[in-house]
Amino acid sequence: EAGVTQSPTHLIKTRGQQATLRCSPISGHTSVYWYQQALGLGLQFLLWYDEGEERNRGNFPPRFSGRQFPNYSSELNVNALELEDSALYLCASSPGTGGYNEQFFGPGTRLTVL
Amino acid sequence: DAKTTQPPSMDCAEGRAANLPCNHSTISGNEYVYWYRQIHSQGPQYIIHGLKNNETNEMASLIITEDRKSSTLILPHATLRDTAVYYCIVRLRLNTGNQFYFGTGTSLTVIP
Repeated sequence: EAGVTQSPTHLIKTRGQQATLRCSPISGHTSVYWYQQALGLGLQFLLWYDEGEERNRGNFPPRFSGRQFPNYSSELNVNALELEDSALYLCASSPGTGGYNEQFFGPGTRLTVL
Repeated sequence: DAKTTQPPSMDCAEGRAANLPCNHSTISGNEYVYWYRQIHSQGPQYIIHGLKNNETNEMASLIITEDRKSSTLILPHATLRDTAVYYCIVRLRLNTGNQFYFGTGTSLTVIP
């Protein structure tokens, strides 16, 4: 069974640009979560999508947005990039919203803002 | 929002049991305790979770105190590959809020 995949592996942008990060969940999983992990810090919850809808978001400004497609893959968009947006962005998936399902994480996209 | 407290770092000799503590004194009755680990900036890996009973799987054991205010993750025979940051997470059982709130974790170093 293929795991969660993310692309690209690395992304380099300059301040003010936009970044788009992509995530493909495990087959059959309908929930996708996005986390940000800045250098030396723990994971900060960003966004949660399920069945194509945004279910919850963490304490991040509106320039962090995303969407989930009918095939349950997801995009994270970061507009007007700032230097402090440099981080490892992790995507996780789980089989739906109910119960106590663990989240399965992808390898991450490392975004560097110059 | 992390709701958990862990020591920032620990060492363990290879082959010995690694016991990683976690305090979650404000846990409520329907909140589960999850453990994940992250090896050198890879995606976190699920280890184990529990509500109030002790749990064991092929990776580890989870011991939860009777009052549920703390727990211990036990790696029975630590290997060098177990060197990682271990996160203890309390997650509310909800149908509408499934995100995990990670703290800063415990950096475990397994020493040869």
